[in-house]
Order: sequence, then structure tokens, then C-alpha cells
Amino acid sequence: QSALTQEASVSGTVGQKVTLSCTGNSNNIGSYAVAWYQQISHGAPKTLMFENSQPSGVPDRFSSSKSGTTASLTISGLQPEDEADYYCSTWDYSLSAYVFGTGTKVTVL
Amino acid sequence: QVQLVESGGGVVQPGGSLRLSCTASGFTFINFGIHWVRQAPGEGLEWVAFIRYDGSNKYYADSVKGRFTISRNNSKSTLYLQMNSLRAEDTAVYYCAKDRAIQSTRGSGYLHSWGQGTLVIVSS
Repeated sequence: QSALTQEASVSGTVGQKVTLSCTGNSNNIGSYAVAWYQQISHGAPKTLMFENSQPSGVPDRFSSSKSGTTASLTISGLQPEDEADYYCSTWDYSLSAYVFGTGTKVTVL
Repeated sequence: QVQLVESGGGVVQPGGSLRLSCTASGFTFINFGIHWVRQAPGEGLEWVAFIRYDGSNKYYADSVKGRFTISRNNSKSTLYLQMNSLRAEDTAVYYCAKDRAIQSTRGSGYLHSWGQGTLVIVSS
């Protein structure tokens, strides 16, 4: 039921800016707020962003945006501790369900 | 602070049943909807179910509809997931997660706080 598509992997060097994408359609990303989650070594997920807000404690090098049916998460100034899996999520009107993206593995070179 | 603790996981045979619990503390449980999310070994996150703050609305992923039932006991600050007709593909770590929206019908999708998860293995 994965209605949201993400890159399988993205890599970058320390300090580099990387952007992750999350592609859906008008029933999900095109109509509803998108959340982003970080998961390190298959531990419990951590909430990174929701729409344009982030929980306290999340570094401000993380930012998000949305254009049409694609959402993006940008890490400005990649750090070694950012090596993790990242997932997008939103509500899907046609499914009457929440959906997660396929996930992107970020590697810090 | 917000704390969610899952329990009830274990090994069960295909076709069997299991009930997971999620005990909450550190917030007014009755005001918030709660989600179940699972992750199969080596796989990504999969949303499973959501229950409205007062239990009157429930939503399910197609993959579990008709087999799983989400419920809550607000007097005990506890969420449940009754899993019946279990299949090998239900093998996963199951997380409960608190939605951030207060008294919302279907939640906001902002899963603000997560438990540590409980492992369910469906195998003969």
C-alpha cells in the first residue's frame, strides 16, 4: 500500500546539502500535510518535520517543502549523525488511510 | 514527559491471534488519537491503524482490515491491537505512536511520540 515513492539511497559528504524527495499524487501529498521521520539503525522512528515545523531538539539544518504532489526534505550541512533512513508520510484520501513512503537511506561518505 | 510502552509481542503460529498493548503516560491520553505502525525485518515503515481520541473512529490499512482491531481504554491510558488470522507477512516490530492533534477525528498525521516497539513473529 506504499503510495509514496522515495529514492532508495542518497549519499553525501560532511557539510554537503542533500535533498530527499517523496512523490505521491493529488489524493495524498497534493492535498495533505507531509511528515518526515528519521530512523537510525532500525531503532524507534523520530519525528523530524511536519509541514514546515519541527519538534524542539531537531537541528535547523533540516527543512522541508512541498510543490504539487512532491514533498522534499533538505539537510543543509550533512553531519555523520544524519546517517539514517528517512520516511515521508501523509493521509491518503482515496485509501482513507495514512501511508508511508518507501524510505531513503542516507549515507555520509 | 510522554512515554509509550508496547507489550504483548511474541511468537505465534500462522492463523493464530495476539493482542498488543500500548501503555501511555505523561499526557492526557483521552485527548489524543493513537496510531499503530509496523516494520517487517529489513523493510520500511508501514502504517497499520489509527483510533480517534474517544475511540469512535478507527482507520485501517488494507493489509490488516478485517483481521486486526484497534481499541483503547481511556480509563487505563492503554491502547490495544487485537490481531487475528495472523500471517507470516505480519511478522514485524509494532510501534504505537501518539498523534499531535488534540481531539481530532482522524488525527493530523503528525506522529509526535513513539514507543520502542514490540516484536511479533508469525511462524510455525
